[in-house]
Amino acid sequence: AQSVTQPDIHITVSEGASLELRCNYSYGATPYLFWYVQSPGQGLQLLLKYFSGDTLVQGIKGFEAEFKRSQSSFNLRKPSVHWSDAAEYFCATYNNNDMRFGAGTRLTVKP
Amino acid sequence: DTGVSQDPRHKITKRGQNVTFRCDPISEHNRLYWYRQTLGQGPEFLTYFQNEAQLEKSRLLSDRFSAERPKGSFSTLEIQRTEQGDSAMYLCASSRPTTSSDTQYFGPGTRLTVL
Repeated sequence: AQSVTQPDIHITVSEGASLELRCNYSYGATPYLFWYVQSPGQGLQLLLKYFSGDTLVQGIKGFEAEFKRSQSSFNLRKPSVHWSDAAEYFCATYNNNDMRFGAGTRLTVKP
Repeated sequence: DTGVSQDPRHKITKRGQNVTFRCDPISEHNRLYWYRQTLGQGPEFLTYFQNEAQLEKSRLLSDRFSAERPKGSFSTLEIQRTEQGDSAMYLCASSRPTTSSDTQYFGPGTRLTVL
């Protein structure tokens, strides 16, 4: 069965600094890959997705992610973090009607 | 707003009571999903519908849980004889799969607190 690992439970970065959130998946083939963001008490908002093609994917709010098949990774990046980016970030895989989420990474942004 | 909507946003109930949640998907989406999310965890799949047909149910969905999508539009999730362990955020998502992609769009969730 497929699974998703987000190794970092909590990350703190200074406003304006760069950000990378890690995501590793376990699955025999290449699943669809997603990053969602969740603010406290809210639903999930789609940041970006990868289905096929170019392995560097651009999303909303200045986020991007790179799919690396050799490392089974789909890490999320942003060159300069804003205070409004503080939230919970979830990586997810989807294959054959089965959607699996990681446990999430909570991002804190220091002024 | 044409996104996924859920009602109510918050529900507080006493143990043993029944509760029902509603989800209205994006209008042209034929798939509808229910998830449960507990504090500090990612969403866990409960069940999904393709049009009005319930195609899959997770083992997490005990006999006290039932979901319907009678006309292939909105869906309801009912929990009977609620237990404190049912306290969670219940998320609904919808999608319209194509041959090359399937993206789920989530609603704001219903937070259930069982006292």
